[in-house]
Amino acid sequence: DAGVIQSPRHEVTEMGQEVTLRCKPISGHDYLFWYRQTMMRGLELLIYFNNNVPIDDSGMPEDRFSAKMPNASFSTLKIQPSEPRDSAVYFCASSLGHRQYFGPGTRLTVT
Amino acid sequence: GNSVTQMEGPVTLSEEAFLTINCTYTATGYPSLFWYVQYPGEGLQLLLKATKADDKGSNKGFEATYRKETTSFHLEKGSVQVSDSAVYFCALLFEQGAQKLVFGQGTRLTINP
Repeated sequence: DAGVIQSPRHEVTEMGQEVTLRCKPISGHDYLFWYRQTMMRGLELLIYFNNNVPIDDSGMPEDRFSAKMPNASFSTLKIQPSEPRDSAVYFCASSLGHRQYFGPGTRLTVT
Repeated sequence: GNSVTQMEGPVTLSEEAFLTINCTYTATGYPSLFWYVQYPGEGLQLLLKATKADDKGSNKGFEATYRKETTSFHLEKGSVQVSDSAVYFCALLFEQGAQKLVFGQGTRLTINP
């Protein structure tokens, strides 16, 4: 099994640009999570899905952030427009049962 | 509400030293408890878990016991190695079937040879 796949691994963009992060969960997993990690705020849950349906998006910081899961094997997290304070490592995780499997993360830098 | 508090880091030890990373929690009901580890440049991975009071989770020489009376889940290892250098996260899962983990702030551990 390839594990959770995230792309790109690194993204550098200018303030105001749209950024799309992608995630492929482990096949058969029914939950998908998006997290953000920064030195200042630690690990934050942004949103999670169950069977492709968003369950809790209370962690999404503002309307500039949106997430979709069009099918069981793909999810996106979009930031539009991006701001320097969005610079962080974004993790996707999937689970079947209580154990979450994390992807390697996307390091986003907004200049 | 539900929360997890870990001892503040960073923690620096010499190889073969004894390790304890404290974790306490606040939760309604009976959560499941976890330790996740994050090696440099990687995502988090499950290290061990315990699902009910007095359970002991163990893996790779690490242990943690679910203590309901003290609401704690301290991580211990008898003899650490340089390869144990990582960030360790304590986490809890709500009782009522939700899959959302509540993480502590993480403790950075550095082991010197």
